[in-house]
Amino acid sequence: SYELTQPPSVSVSPGQTASITCFGDKLGDKYACWYQQKPGQSPVLVIYQDTKRPSGIPERFSGSNSGNAATLTISGTQAMDEADYYCKAWDSSTVVFGGGTKLTVL
Amino acid sequence: QVQLVQSGAEVKKPGASVKVSCKVSGNTFTSYYMHWVRQAPGRGLEWMGLIDPSGRSTTYAQKFQGRVTMTRDTSTSAVYMELSSLRSEDTAVYYCARAVGSSGSLAFDVWGQGTMVTVSS
Repeated sequence: SYELTQPPSVSVSPGQTASITCFGDKLGDKYACWYQQKPGQSPVLVIYQDTKRPSGIPERFSGSNSGNAATLTISGTQAMDEADYYCKAWDSSTVVFGGGTKLTVL
Repeated sequence: QVQLVQSGAEVKKPGASVKVSCKVSGNTFTSYYMHWVRQAPGRGLEWMGLIDPSGRSTTYAQKFQGRVTMTRDTSTSAVYMELSSLRSEDTAVYYCARAVGSSGSLAFDVWGQGTMVTVSS
């Protein structure tokens, strides 16, 4: 079965750029999404179709997808961006989530 | 603004079944695929399956096949997820989510608030 792999944790200083990468076999041939989840809350879509931001998502969130990796980039990271982030892709009529990455802003 | 409102927390004994509802507000109920995702305490998101807009077609994750049933009721604008033969490992928050986009590029743009299901003897 298809698998997506993310680093368990990423740390970033306020105002700096955070990058979270999601690895999967030929992931660049699929569309990747990213979800943000804060403690006790439902996930929120922050990137879809590799690079698109839903309405209401700040411009500091961006995405890319090529080869075997999709990347979520947060520019000018703020304290409010501290959360778990999950990548997701669609493979063989099923949805696959990455294991999640805890982003710490310190 | 579409909202997904789920039923309340459940406590079940091992071997029992649970049925979680997800009521969709707005006039778009029959237009979208609906998915179910669960999250065990301290763990990541796990996809369980989907139901098509008509309610006639479902796709379940292999892990849950034979134990899960997803349905939808147009008269109440609700979708349902029933999980049977519960075991302690099924203790989790269960989410419904609306999918937008084509099958290869779908995204979950609206989520329910989650329903905590606890399986304990």
